[in-house]
Amino acid sequence: TQLLEQSPQFLSIQEGENLTVYCNSSSVFSSLQWYRQEPGEGPVLLVTVVTGGEVKKLKRLTFQFGDARKDSSLHITAAQPGDTGLYLCAGADNYGQNFVFGPGTRLSVLP
Amino acid sequence: DVKVTQSSRYLVKRTGEKVFLECVQDMDHENMFWYRQDQGLGLRLIYFSYDVKMKEKGDIPEGYSVSREKKERFSLILESASTNQTSMYLCATRGGIYGYTFGSGTRLTVV
Repeated sequence: TQLLEQSPQFLSIQEGENLTVYCNSSSVFSSLQWYRQEPGEGPVLLVTVVTGGEVKKLKRLTFQFGDARKDSSLHITAAQPGDTGLYLCAGADNYGQNFVFGPGTRLSVLP
Repeated sequence: DVKVTQSSRYLVKRTGEKVFLECVQDMDHENMFWYRQDQGLGLRLIYFSYDVKMKEKGDIPEGYSVSREKKERFSLILESASTNQTSMYLCATRGGIYGYTFGSGTRLTVV
């Protein structure tokens, strides 16, 4: 069974600070996705990374897939209160059909 | 945009009641999923379906059943609700290897 761990579990920072959250596994994934879930809503897909070492940028968010495709990171520059939410990573098996979700990192950005 | 609509945002049911959670998607995707989300446990897959009339057990199917009579509709049924089924329930669709699109969720409380 593939398992994903996320760290930290909780993070509270001031507006304007930078932060990085991590998604780790002992398993290899064919692709990895990051989602953000706001309170009272379902998760929303932010990005999919598929190639080991891949880096994708989405405005102030930078996503990296590890070279061995076992881990990923999400870096946020100059965090804003609108970034507050639960950040989930999800990894796909070799066939890209079965996904497993991590437990999430709950981020709070204080104004 | 793909839209996934869950019929209720909040539900309160009594122990032993039969509960129906409805989900409708408008993008003609074959794949539909039901997850429950609990603090500290992340998203856990209950059931999924790759086609009409077809269903597969996920990781935690006990106490649940599903129905998919039409492609756009996937229903989750709690045959006899129990307090340990109090949770956030999320319906999702997925187009092939791409990311999930989730509904807004149903927060079910069983008293």
